[in-house]
Amino acid sequence: DTAVSQTPKYLVTQMGNDKSIKCEQNLGHDTMYWYKQDSKKFLKIMFSYNNKELIINETVPNRFSPKSPDKAHLNLHINSLELGDSAVYFCASTASGTGVGYTFGSGTRLTVV
Amino acid sequence: GESVGLHLPTLSVQEGDNSIINCAYSNSASDYFIWYKQESGKGPQFIIDIRSNMDKRQGQRVTVLLNKTVKHLSLQIAATQPGDSAVYFCAENPGEYGNKLVFGAGTILRVKS
Repeated sequence: DTAVSQTPKYLVTQMGNDKSIKCEQNLGHDTMYWYKQDSKKFLKIMFSYNNKELIINETVPNRFSPKSPDKAHLNLHINSLELGDSAVYFCASTASGTGVGYTFGSGTRLTVV
Repeated sequence: GESVGLHLPTLSVQEGDNSIINCAYSNSASDYFIWYKQESGKGPQFIIDIRSNMDKRQGQRVTVLLNKTVKHLSLQIAATQPGDSAVYFCAENPGEYGNKLVFGAGTILRVKS
């Protein structure tokens, strides 16, 4: 199936731990994003990569580090997890220059206890 | 359900009626707008888009209206069905580098059978 795939779907971890979320798309898109959705359902952009180059870096704590090994993959590593990091994290992708909307993954629900 | 306690605007409609969901956007430079539907436990799903050189666009059972003068966007759903129950988001593209989408707060649509 053509899609944006995220793993894991659920992640429960203790404060202070380091964790990673992975994202892969097979749509042939060259731009990928990480969005955070808080408990009020508000969606806010965190990062964007275009062809492995970081192009958007919103005001995000530097405990969050994205990595894009190739244009089909965008991972998110979070160090020293805090309670406030609990949220649903969505990966999305689009083809730059087409001016069309994103395709989203199904999300990773991160719970920090 | 998941929407309990969210305090998002909620629209309750009877099955078969038409629904209108409204959105005020913030940036007069935005030139592209999208409506997304998010069902419980899933990622946002593209419904319909419109560019700023249009004021109306129709899809299957959905119509988007754009009023640039007052920076207002609406989504009309004809003959609303139980499967339309979800949270609906409008998103604007301010035309910044990286094709960033800025999302509105979301509206819960509940369809009563």
